[in-house]
Amino acid sequence: SQQGEEDPQALSIQEGENATMNCSYKTSINNLQWYRQNSGRGLVHLILIRSNEREKHSGRLRVTLDTSKKSSSLLITASRAADTASYFCATDGGGNKLTFGTGTQLKVEL
Amino acid sequence: NAGVTQTPKFQVLKTGQSMTLQCAQDMNHEYMSWYRQDPGMGLRLIHYSVGAGITDQGEVPNGYNVSRSTTEDFPLRLLSAAPSQTSVYFCASSKTGGAGQPQHFGDGTRLSIL
Repeated sequence: SQQGEEDPQALSIQEGENATMNCSYKTSINNLQWYRQNSGRGLVHLILIRSNEREKHSGRLRVTLDTSKKSSSLLITASRAADTASYFCATDGGGNKLTFGTGTQLKVEL
Repeated sequence: NAGVTQTPKFQVLKTGQSMTLQCAQDMNHEYMSWYRQDPGMGLRLIHYSVGAGITDQGEVPNGYNVSRSTTEDFPLRLLSAAPSQTSVYFCASSKTGGAGQPQHFGDGTRLSIL
């Protein structure tokens, strides 16, 4: 079963706009990670946030985590065409298993 | 560094055939794992290994076998291919700490079972 569910499933924005995607999960976690997948390629790690952290930044990326609501959000500021990809959240609930969500397809148009 | 290398990139099999998907990493990572990715379902964990000689089942292990005789290699074997195993398969690795660490992914093997 999927631990994480991303919302929205698909998102289309103009270059320069911000993109926000959300992830909800079901059980307690040790950490939550976000990955990007370009078409036909493997996943690339973006950012990891631990359960005792509320917000984390990396370049144009901002991730928040609300463990009381079992949710996380990924914000990409000033989007570029090169940000077009699928984005996945993944949760570490212990037991050496990482569980991925179903992903958000982001399209950034010129 | 090559990172995580998966071979082959594409494969077509007939129902009932067996084959091995190869995965190798050159980062001396202890943790390795196999996922399958199907449309609309994200990635699902098949098997994982926390070190040489140690393997365990993930969410969808049926029909697949793994072994880990070296730190570098983690092959995935399909015993008797079925059309339901048509998918894209990804291998990943990470440092000690397993799922709590950033995962490095290969570019996948696209497998079709006829």
